[in-house]
Amino acid sequence: AQKITQTQPGMFVQEKEAVTLDCTYDTSDQSYGLFWYKQPSSGEMIFLIYQGSYDEQNATEGRYSLNFQKARKSANLVISASQLGDSAMYFCAMREGLRTGNKLVFGAGTILRVKS
Amino acid sequence: EPEVTQTPSHQVTQMGQEVILRCVPISNHLYFYWYRQILGQKVEFLVSFYNNEISEKSEIFDDQFSVERPDGSNFTLKIRSTKLEDSAMYFCASTLTRREAFFGQGTRLTVV
Repeated sequence: AQKITQTQPGMFVQEKEAVTLDCTYDTSDQSYGLFWYKQPSSGEMIFLIYQGSYDEQNATEGRYSLNFQKARKSANLVISASQLGDSAMYFCAMREGLRTGNKLVFGAGTILRVKS
Repeated sequence: EPEVTQTPSHQVTQMGQEVILRCVPISNHLYFYWYRQILGQKVEFLVSFYNNEISEKSEIFDDQFSVERPDGSNFTLKIRSTKLEDSAMYFCASTLTRREAFFGQGTRLTVV
């Protein structure tokens, strides 16, 4: 079974509107962390936001927020007030277990295009 | 702001040649990783490194691959005899806490 599933291969959003990128995960661990990364066309991986499985509040970083629904095993990224520079590939990833050094497992990604 | 630095940004090599990809992790970080991304595909874990030894490796990380931290700042990935299918973007990453993982800008390896 896939550990991380991103069901939207591509999304369009109008500039200044909000957009939600979906991510569901599969783990039997009680302790895990969820990450979102942005990969622009230049190729680098930019860390956006983190949500721990025991965090009581949904994570927020500027225009990024994570809609964490633990019972549904979903960790959707919400980008508010979209900008043209938000056009990129977005990856959801998970680190299982308590060890800091555990690897990240990535989803297939969602390409976001922001229209002017 | 501290960042993970990778060199070179692009490397072209002939099949069968050895290649070394270099990374300078964030200076106070303790955990180091290599990942790769074949064009158009998902990011895949290769190896993690902590306290001067490999913590975990994937099935991709076979005997052709090795990692080293030759001094206090560099972290290298060596591919001994490159194959066409090694062509990919290789990312170095480092972390200090569970709540983060910072990636370098990547090295695009092209094997011809």
